[in-house]
Amino acid sequence: DARVTQTPRHKVTEMGQEVTMRCQPILGHNTVFWYRQTMMQGLELLAYFRNRAPLDDSGMPKDRFSAEMPDATLATLKIQPSEPRDSAVYFCASGTGRNTEAFFGQGTRLTVV
Amino acid sequence: SQQGEEDPQALSIQEGENATMNCSYKTSINNLQWYRQNSGRGLVHLILIRSNEREKHSGRLRVTLDTSKKSSSLLITASRAADTASYFCATDAVYGANSKLTFGKGITLSVRP
Repeated sequence: DARVTQTPRHKVTEMGQEVTMRCQPILGHNTVFWYRQTMMQGLELLAYFRNRAPLDDSGMPKDRFSAEMPDATLATLKIQPSEPRDSAVYFCASGTGRNTEAFFGQGTRLTVV
Repeated sequence: SQQGEEDPQALSIQEGENATMNCSYKTSINNLQWYRQNSGRGLVHLILIRSNEREKHSGRLRVTLDTSKKSSSLLITASRAADTASYFCATDAVYGANSKLTFGKGITLSVRP
């Protein structure tokens, strides 16, 4: 059945290391979102793409975060270097555009020690 | 930044009672959506109401939208213990030629058996 797949599901890394999170959107979906969820801030929109083009990444710390869509079946979110404050659950979601729902993956739980 | 704010932050009710959750937002929207999140899982879409709609039903869910007050409510009737989860409103806000989907911090609903 169609679903958004995120890998890895869990990641523990040391401060300063590079972290790459991957997302496979649902086939045929042209919109991809990256969100970060923490207890304090809730769900923050980090970046989103339409037809692989970045439309908005204003929610993302530019100095260490980067988001890309190398092709229509893969979206990546990188943190370099990682910091303890980056510890959170990162969600990818995909959809088919305006006035439609977003389908979420199960998330990547990142812990930076 | 969050566009929607849910109210209350937490709600505890007895099985069989109705649960009402509210959401307020700040800017013009294309639609407003409600999502549910079970602990440790991704978000699941419940219902979408467009800016030109005032009320929508789906099973035990009833959503209203008042664009003049920039507010929405989600009513779950005849609640069940399985409805225990966090509920989020999300606004698909007008953003130039595009739109962006941003979430509130959520409401924790506990339904006591």
